[in-house]
Amino acid sequence: EAGVTQFPSHSVIEKGQTVTLRCDPISGHDNLYWYRRVMGKEIKFLLHFVKESKQDESGMPNNRFLAERTGGTYSTLKVQPAELEDSGVYFCASSPDQYYGYTFGSGTRLTVV
Amino acid sequence: AQSVSQHNHHVILSEAASLELGCNYSYGGTVNLFWYVQYPGQHLQLLLKYFSGDPLVKGIKGFEAEFIKSKFSFNLRKPSVQWSDTAEYFCAVRDSGSARQLTFGSGTQLTVLP
Repeated sequence: EAGVTQFPSHSVIEKGQTVTLRCDPISGHDNLYWYRRVMGKEIKFLLHFVKESKQDESGMPNNRFLAERTGGTYSTLKVQPAELEDSGVYFCASSPDQYYGYTFGSGTRLTVV
Repeated sequence: AQSVSQHNHHVILSEAASLELGCNYSYGGTVNLFWYVQYPGQHLQLLLKYFSGDPLVKGIKGFEAEFIKSKFSFNLRKPSVQWSDTAEYFCAVRDSGSARQLTFGSGTQLTVLP
């Protein structure tokens, strides 16, 4: 089966600009998660979708971050406006249910300059 | 709230040496436990997971981990490492029986010298 796909793999933007990251989960996986790793620290949870609904968005850092999953398929994570501290690697993962593990994408490395 | 501690930030070993990476978690309930690995330039891959049953779990590439409930630990082991094991290793925990998110440790960078 195809894995979790993220793009772009790299993005360099200036402070104040907008960036949209995309994640295509494994087909049929209802659960989709966004995580972020900043400056070599631990990987931190951002939010969790079940189909098109936000199950838990307690990890979203502030209202500059907006995640959507229209139709319950792919998801986007928009950062607007980007700040320097938003730099890091953004991971997406998907899972079919609670009896399974998670499959991660290769991540998007975001650099805000 | 859950937390995960990986005590070793960077481990350097020679090939054929034995490996043990520590992982401790804090959580009052029943948990599922995971070890992930990220090879240079690649995505996070699942090494092994513990949901229930035998606390000694065997994973891919010769790795194993032992869940010791009384110590809140899930240490990763490999009897003989190879140069190709050079990677970053992450321990993670989640509430048992849920599809909720993972809580990760800070990761351990393993460097194996040829």
